[in-house]
Amino acid sequence: SQQGEEDPQALSIQEGENATMNCSYKTSINNLQWYRQNSGRGLVHLILIRSNEREKHSGRLRVTLDTSKKSSSLLITASRAADTASYFCATAEGGYGNKLVFGAGTILRVKS
Amino acid sequence: DAEITQSPRHKITETGRQVTLACHQTWNHNNMFWYRQDLGHGLRLIHYSYGVQDTNKGEVSDGYSVSRSNTEDLPLTLESAASSQTSVYFCASSELGRRGAFFGQGTRLTVV
Repeated sequence: SQQGEEDPQALSIQEGENATMNCSYKTSINNLQWYRQNSGRGLVHLILIRSNEREKHSGRLRVTLDTSKKSSSLLITASRAADTASYFCATAEGGYGNKLVFGAGTILRVKS
Repeated sequence: DAEITQSPRHKITETGRQVTLACHQTWNHNNMFWYRQDLGHGLRLIHYSYGVQDTNKGEVSDGYSVSRSNTEDLPLTLESAASSQTSVYFCASSELGRRGAFFGQGTRLTVV
């Protein structure tokens, strides 16, 4: 079964605003990853956070992980129209490179 | 540049026919995965392989099979296609110790 839920299912914001997406999962994990999927395309890896990390940054992306609550959040700052896509969290029980379990995703629309 | 390619990109087949979807990667990754993506379900793992001659069942493996005879390829076979297997199929590869998985562009399969 899917690892967990993503919240919200859909998000619509204005360009320049921040977008926050949340992910919950059920089992113990080694790491959690976020992916982006543009319409009709494959998934692209954005960022990985290990279970012993609490926060990670990459450009305009900020990911947090709370293993006690089994939850993660992805923050995109100063959003752009090009950020319009679906965003998925995925958890790995094993080390890097092992199989991933995906959430249902959040559809983000950034209006210009 | 290294890449992962899927073929065909689109396929329509009839119920009961055997269908094989191809996945080829030039990353030289040991790990390869097949997922299906359906609305409201995110991505679900069908089969995966951690190396040549290694194959494992995922969450939704019934009606599917894979074989791994070399590092580059992991073909997915639908033994007897069913309408419930209408979906978008994604192949991915990754390497233990490296971050993130690389995804193909997907194959849209319709079973009529």
